[in-house]
Amino acid sequence: ETGVTQTPRHLVMGMTNKKSLKCEQHLGHNAMYWYKQSAKKPLELMFVYNFKEQTENNSVPSRFSPECPNSSHLFLHLHTLQPEDSALYLCASSQDNRGETQYFGPGTRLLVL
Amino acid sequence: QKEVEQDPGPLSVPEGAIVSLNCTYSNSAFQYFMWYRQYSRKGPELLMYTYSSGNKEDGRFTAQVDKSSKYISLFIRDSQPSDSATYLCAMSVRQAGTALIFGKGTTLSVSS
Repeated sequence: ETGVTQTPRHLVMGMTNKKSLKCEQHLGHNAMYWYKQSAKKPLELMFVYNFKEQTENNSVPSRFSPECPNSSHLFLHLHTLQPEDSALYLCASSQDNRGETQYFGPGTRLLVL
Repeated sequence: QKEVEQDPGPLSVPEGAIVSLNCTYSNSAFQYFMWYRQYSRKGPELLMYTYSSGNKEDGRFTAQVDKSSKYISLFIRDSQPSDSATYLCAMSVRQAGTALIFGKGTTLSVSS
């Protein structure tokens, strides 16, 4: 596998479910990101990790919980989501967190019923 | 005023046309500029990046930065139906702890 991979690609969940999104990067990068992309809205940065440490939490509700066990893996744990959380969730990585070029995964399309 | 402004379109052109996509920005500290292409239901892919002012060409694509006007452009020559996608500009100040700032994206449709 090369680049940035994300699983699952599609997810349907009820508001009471708990699920996790997974991201893995094979680029040797040190920074990883979670973005939310809703229809007709710009990319919304959610979380930033640099060398496994969270460096930014963009006022994201606590029903989204990130985890970064190492520089290659990033998770987004979801629980008690709302229908308005339905969106494309994108993971990205970059060499570091100095505004460098980011490389994106294909995204997980999430539908909350 | 938003940091990065980008007309969402949609922009429709015939095959073979020259396309001009643009972004304006307000932060004069931005020095690193990128263009991403995003096909429907896919993640954004990096098309081009440039530092500071000037032009950069890659095949049918030319990126142009005018820092004095705080204006960046992406030109696509001989546009193809496969160029139909959403194009996002992004920029940064390249300092520790900063992130890319993205435009909303312009949706382009090239008809054959």
